[in-house]
Amino acid sequence: GEDVEQSLFLSVREGDSSVINCTYTDSSSTYLYWYKQEPGAGLQLLTYIFSNMDMKQDQRLTVLLNKKDKHLSLRIADTQTGDSAIYFCAESTGRRALTFGSGTRLQVQP
Amino acid sequence: EAGVTQSPTHLIKTRGQQATLRCSPISGHTSVYWYQQALGLGLQFLLWYDEGEERNRGNFPPRFSGRQFPNYSSELNVNALELEDSALYLCASSLEPAAFFGQGTRLTVV
Repeated sequence: GEDVEQSLFLSVREGDSSVINCTYTDSSSTYLYWYKQEPGAGLQLLTYIFSNMDMKQDQRLTVLLNKKDKHLSLRIADTQTGDSAIYFCAESTGRRALTFGSGTRLQVQP
Repeated sequence: EAGVTQSPTHLIKTRGQQATLRCSPISGHTSVYWYQQALGLGLQFLLWYDEGEERNRGNFPPRFSGRQFPNYSSELNVNALELEDSALYLCASSLEPAAFFGQGTRLTVV
């Protein structure tokens, strides 16, 4: 079955880079996603990567995918206090709903 | 362009009552997903509708049901409410491969 795992908490200082990691088990995953959730809000799609890609960059965000190890990471450069939120990793084969990890709470210290 | 809209934003019900939650997808999106986000339990997949049909459901009892209308909007119905149904209910609409979420309905069962 599908399973997605993330570490629960990450604390960084403002201006540093943040790296949030995720592992998944379904080798048939086609797309992998990163979502951001601020307190009391819904999920905001940050970026997604197709499984045949190794890397995707979008402004301060860099996604790295190691398909062999089923490992996905999200790097946020120059982390700001506004980046404090819960970050969810998710995967899908496209034939079913997204399966989410439990979320990583990012705390950015001034 | 309007995003995914959910109503109501907050709902308070008594145990045993029924709750109806509504979701309007992004224009042009035919798939709607429902997720439950209970405190400390992450995002649990509830239901997936596409082109008016239920495509898949998560591991929830039959008192969780829904439908999708010809305009692709959707309703989630929860019958015989229990205290543990208190959660944030999130709707997402999808145009492959991206899924976009609404702000959610906070259901409180007292």
